[in-house]
Amino acid sequence: KNEVEQSPQNLTAQEGEFITINCSYSVGISALHWLQQHPGGGIVSLFMLSSGKKKHGRLIATINIQEKHSSLHITASHPRDSAVYICAVEGTGNQFYFGTGTSLTVIP
Amino acid sequence: DTAVSQTPKYLVTQMGNDKSIKCEQNLGHDTMYWYKQDSKKFLKIMFSYNNKELIINETVPNRFSPKSPDKAHLNLHINSLELGDSAVYFCACGPGNTGELFFGEGSRLTVL
Repeated sequence: KNEVEQSPQNLTAQEGEFITINCSYSVGISALHWLQQHPGGGIVSLFMLSSGKKKHGRLIATINIQEKHSSLHITASHPRDSAVYICAVEGTGNQFYFGTGTSLTVIP
Repeated sequence: DTAVSQTPKYLVTQMGNDKSIKCEQNLGHDTMYWYKQDSKKFLKIMFSYNNKELIINETVPNRFSPKSPDKAHLNLHINSLELGDSAVYFCACGPGNTGELFFGEGSRLTVL
């Protein structure tokens, strides 16, 4: 069993829909990262969270430390949001654990 | 000006060869990382260097060795390449202490 579990694995949405991707983890963490990997392969860091909530444009990330759960929300989704979204956690012992990613396709 | 640059972007080589992938960052961050992404797109950390000291080694084979000539560079050397080493290798950097990560574009290694 992975230390980090993401759901769903695959997600197809219509343009404009509100999207939620979930991440649950089983280890103690010092931080959680949401990453975006585009079809071209490059990886971009979207958020780094250790508590609460962060917002950047149409993207919102939340984390509940007690429940060991984080969500990534995309409001008013757009085809350019199509990518793989990866949840990664930094363990308290400097380890890094990655989820298997959520492949999002937004249809015009 | 690319913040984290990796070379080469593509590398095709025969089993048993020794190869290196270079990584340079111009962000002045203290910590650099190497990650491996396998054919199933699963990412796994390999190494982390902080101020030229190895602080993570996720039980990768000792055929893989990171070398950091200075704070801005973390190169990945791989000896006696095996078929299973075929993957995309990503370099990243960050301020450490749970700061944001900045990734290179990846280097796709194919071992024949």
